[in-house]
Amino acid sequence: SAVISQKPSRDICQRGTSLTIQCQVDSQVTMMFWYRQQPGQSLTLIATANQGSEATYESGFVIDKFPISRPNLTFSTLTVSNMSPEDSSIYLCSTREGGLNQPQHFGDGTRLSIL
Amino acid sequence: SQELEQSPQSLIVQEGKNLTINCTSSKTLYGLYWYKQKYGEGLIFLMMLQKGGEEKSHEKITAKLDEKKQQSSLHITASQPSHAGIYLCGAAPSPGGATNKLIFGTGTLLAVQP
Repeated sequence: SAVISQKPSRDICQRGTSLTIQCQVDSQVTMMFWYRQQPGQSLTLIATANQGSEATYESGFVIDKFPISRPNLTFSTLTVSNMSPEDSSIYLCSTREGGLNQPQHFGDGTRLSIL
Repeated sequence: SQELEQSPQSLIVQEGKNLTINCTSSKTLYGLYWYKQKYGEGLIFLMMLQKGGEEKSHEKITAKLDEKKQQSSLHITASQPSHAGIYLCGAAPSPGGATNKLIFGTGTLLAVQP
């Protein structure tokens, strides 16, 4: 499976600021996704990052708050904008190669704390 | 909407003991995935089940999906400290073609005492 690298691995930010998380894959992949894992909670899909077009957001997530880029088949970014303490979470990038019957693989995540 | 419930929420076992973690869905599962997460890190893919009655094994871990495709179990034989972590089940909530989304269970925290 593809090797997925996320940067930064962790950060502590001030409220009101924005942070961009990078996800780099070592091979071209069809699908890339961004998930959020709030403290003590399970994973929730934020959006599907579409190559060359706007991301597809899940209910409860909006582009103004979580702008996503995917300039090519190996790279994506997620920005968490105007952060508040409620945004303190682990943000995870995942990929899937092939069809819907293939598993998603995850990066190591970005642990974000907002003061 | 579909929900995945895992049991138990947490588990402490002595090294060498067997254990089972369950994942129950409110609706039919179209693809069931088991992952392991070490605290604060990413998810490691363990196994995928798709057919009712399917069973897969890898090293000391066996996963099963029941015939009705609404419940899955993960069984670890002769547990070791390296098995410690959070086990998550994930599922595709609808048949192929409808969505890329995976929904995840609440997680089971496993500790293995040497």
